[in-house]
Amino acid sequence: DAGVTQSPTHLIKTRGQQVTLRCSPISGHKSVSWYQQVLGQGPQFIFQYYEKEERGRGNFPDRFSARQFPNYSSELNVNALLLGDSALYLCASSLGPSGSYEQYFGPGTRLTVT
Amino acid sequence: AQTVTQSQPEMSVQEAETVTLSCTYDTSESDYYLFWYKQPPSRQMILVIRQEAYKQQNATENRFSVNFQKAAKSFSLKISDSQLGDAAMYFCAYRSPNAGGTSYGKLTFGQGTILTVHP
Repeated sequence: DAGVTQSPTHLIKTRGQQVTLRCSPISGHKSVSWYQQVLGQGPQFIFQYYEKEERGRGNFPDRFSARQFPNYSSELNVNALLLGDSALYLCASSLGPSGSYEQYFGPGTRLTVT
Repeated sequence: AQTVTQSQPEMSVQEAETVTLSCTYDTSESDYYLFWYKQPPSRQMILVIRQEAYKQQNATENRFSVNFQKAAKSFSLKISDSQLGDAAMYFCAYRSPNAGGTSYGKLTFGQGTILTVHP
């Protein structure tokens, strides 16, 4: 079975631009969470979506937004990019939203903002 | 809010030896989950071991075991018979079972410990 997939693997953007990152969960998983991992630090929670609805949100500005599609895949959008947005963006999927379910991580998308 | 602290930025171990990685956390909840994740240079975050707070027995997965001290809010990972493939960044993480509000399903990670394994 395929694991969590993310695209693109790596991208480079300029300050002020907008970016869209994509995530496909494990088949049968209905919940997707997004994390930002700055180099040398632990991941920070951005969003959790379940059944196309936002169920959790971390301490990130409104420039960050996400959505989940009927097939449970998800997109993370970041507007007006700042240098500080350079990070590894991780997607994790789980069967459901509650804390009792395991979260399985994808390989991440490395975003570099210049 | 919950916090997770890993006080060892780097650790090293000789192949076949045993190493222990430390983690402490702060919470007011009585029920929660604790995890150790491994992140090799390939970046893929891999679950190593999981502990439910209501279970007194320490979790074990092959060469990996934990020492869970609930009263002390301590959750250390012991790696026995270390192998070269164990070299990675290790993260300790906390999760509430059914947190309300904006923390639903959220994993809170520590800062990580880089483990080097010497042949």
